[in-house]
Amino acid sequence: GESVGLHLPTLSVQEGDNSIINCAYSNSASDYFIWYKQESGKGPQFIIDIRSNMDKRQGQRVTVLLNKTVKHLSLQIAATQPGDSAVYFCAESPSGGYQKVTFGTGTKLQVIP
Amino acid sequence: DAGVTQSPTHLIKTRGQQVTLRCSPKSGHDTVSWYQQALGQGPQFIFQYYEEEERQRGNFPDRFSGHQFPNYSSELNVNALLLGDSALYLCASSPDRGQNYGYTFGSGTRLTVV
Repeated sequence: GESVGLHLPTLSVQEGDNSIINCAYSNSASDYFIWYKQESGKGPQFIIDIRSNMDKRQGQRVTVLLNKTVKHLSLQIAATQPGDSAVYFCAESPSGGYQKVTFGTGTKLQVIP
Repeated sequence: DAGVTQSPTHLIKTRGQQVTLRCSPKSGHDTVSWYQQALGQGPQFIFQYYEEEERQRGNFPDRFSGHQFPNYSSELNVNALLLGDSALYLCASSPDRGQNYGYTFGSGTRLTVV
């Protein structure tokens, strides 16, 4: 069945270091992958997305890597800042044009000043 | 430009009661999806509304129902509340273009069932 899971529930990094958050997915039909950031008391906020026909996409300080062979997704945050502290979710959506999105459990990123 | 607006922000209900949550989508968005997020978990898809109809539904019982209005706003109704229904209920809007685009989420309604 569909499932999106994360390898680590909590990640602590020093301010200024790079962060890498990993995610595994099981649905081979997944076509679209998204990373969300959720701060306490707020809804998830879109960070970056990637389609299955790509293996890398870069944004501002963030990079998403997709390895379809092993069904693995990662989010890299460069020069991590205290404001990056939040729970990060990977999510996937199958092909077909519908926008149902399946979320993983989440990884809590703690930035140490 | 207002984002997604949800009301109320917090709600306490008694087991067996019924509840209605409301959502106004971001300007320009016509599709509304509802998610349930239990504490420490990722959001779980409940259903999605487009053109005032339920287009897709997740694994939730019929106690969960919804509605979309001509102005694209939406309601989520839950009947016969159970303690396990306590969660953060998130509304997300998106433009329907036949493609997948990142949702815009509201801040949610925190429902507590006692």
